[in-house]
Amino acid sequence: NAGVTQTPKFQVLKTGQSMTLQCAQDMNHNSMYWYRQDPGMGLRLIYYSASEGTTDKGEVPNGYNVSRLNKREFSLRLESAAPSQTSVYFCASSVTGVLALFGSGTRLTVV
Amino acid sequence: AQSVTQLDSHVSVSEGTPVLLRCNYSSSYSPSLFWYVQHPNKGLQLLLKYTSAATLVKGINGFEAEFKKSETSFHLTKPSAHMSDAAEYFCVVSDGSNDYKLSFGAGTTVTVRA
Repeated sequence: NAGVTQTPKFQVLKTGQSMTLQCAQDMNHNSMYWYRQDPGMGLRLIYYSASEGTTDKGEVPNGYNVSRLNKREFSLRLESAAPSQTSVYFCASSVTGVLALFGSGTRLTVV
Repeated sequence: AQSVTQLDSHVSVSEGTPVLLRCNYSSSYSPSLFWYVQHPNKGLQLLLKYTSAATLVKGINGFEAEFKKSETSFHLTKPSAHMSDAAEYFCVVSDGSNDYKLSFGAGTTVTVRA
C-alpha cells in the first residue's frame, strides 16, 4: 500500500547510544518532515526537507541530525541519546506543505 | 508568530449526539487551518483544511469546520458521533509565510459512550 513507512516501530536505548530512524515514502512527494509527539504538547517539528538535497531546522532540532538520502528517504539520527528524547516520532510527507501522509510512528524510550 | 489553542483537552459524548471540538488560533498572516485525527497507535490523518476559499469546510467521515475570522476560531463539528470517532484530534495552523512550519494544538481526546 502506498504511504509513509517508518522503522523501527519500537526502540529502547541507553543514554549516550546512537541510532537512526528510517523513513521512506512512495508517493513521489517533494517534502518530508520529522516530528516528535509528547503528551499534552501536540506535534513539534524537528527537521524538514522541502526538496531532495535540502534540509532545515524546525522548532526542536537540538540533539538530532537528518539526511535526505534521495526523494524517497529521510532519516533522523540521534548521535547521543538522552532521556529527554523519549518520545513518539512521526515522519510525514507532502506536496505543497499540507501534510498529506504520516507514518505510524516510532516509540523511543531512552533509559 | 502563529499559535493554536484547543479549548478542551477531553470531550465525552454519547453515540448519536453532536460533537464540537473548539479551536482558536493566532496568526500574523492569512492562515491556512487544518484538523487531523489520530487513532490509537496510528499516524495522523487529515480530516479537512481551510485555505481561504469557502469558510465552511467539509471533511471526511461527516466532519465539518467553520472558519470565523472575527472570532479567530476554527471549530470542528459532527452532527452524530459514531463509536469509531473515538480518537485524538489536532487543530493545526500555517500562517502562509512558510507552509513547512505548522503549529499544532495540544490535542483533544474524544470519548464516545455507547
